[in-house]
Amino acid sequence: QLVLTQSPSASASLGASVKLTCTLSSGHSNYAIAWHQQQPEKGPRYLMKVNRDGSHTKGDGIPDRFSGSSSGAERYLAISSLQSEDEADYYCQTWGAGIQVFGGGTKLTVL
Amino acid sequence: EVQLVESGGGLVKPGGSLRLSCEASGFSFNSFCMHWVRQAPGKGLEWVSSITSTSDYIYYADSVKGRFTISRDNAKNSLHLQVNSLRAEDTAVYYCARDLTSTTVTIPDVWGKGTTVTVSS
Repeated sequence: QLVLTQSPSASASLGASVKLTCTLSSGHSNYAIAWHQQQPEKGPRYLMKVNRDGSHTKGDGIPDRFSGSSSGAERYLAISSLQSEDEADYYCQTWGAGIQVFGGGTKLTVL
Repeated sequence: EVQLVESGGGLVKPGGSLRLSCEASGFSFNSFCMHWVRQAPGKGLEWVSSITSTSDYIYYADSVKGRFTISRDNAKNSLHLQVNSLRAEDTAVYYCARDLTSTTVTIPDVWGKGTTVTVSS
């Protein structure tokens, strides 16, 4: 079964960097994923696609502070020079045979 | 500007029905797959249904199969979700989203602001 696992919460200081992790279930380590950001009281926003080789393609207008990478079954979202507006929920998402799967989300707090 | 605007949400009794709509603008609607994704209060994102650009392929989450029907009208740049036999657990904000591609459902890359469905007696 295709499942994405995310830590429920993360925190980092203003101006610092943070790396969020999304883990693909066993047997699905080759899947690409996407990262989406949801700021409080807003709809989601597509950030980027991260491939199994670590290459990534960002959505329109996504700052250079956001980047993606991969290692095995893990897909990462790194955010540098954290700003207050980066405080949000971050969801990873993947797909297969018409099915879409979302991770449970990570709530990022900027201290 | 690429835009998706949902409508049709509201308060409905258990067992009731609603028709959700999504009006698209700023892009060639008939060239993209589309999705409905929902979010229950205080919870994460849950995929509901997807449809390819020509409606050839339609997919549903198990939780809504047999009760929800997705459709699109490419002439009117609109996406719809007919939601029947509603349950309390269907209470959520329903988001319309555009896919990156036309023939294979992959990644939602443009999202609407959502419409709220509340199922309560």
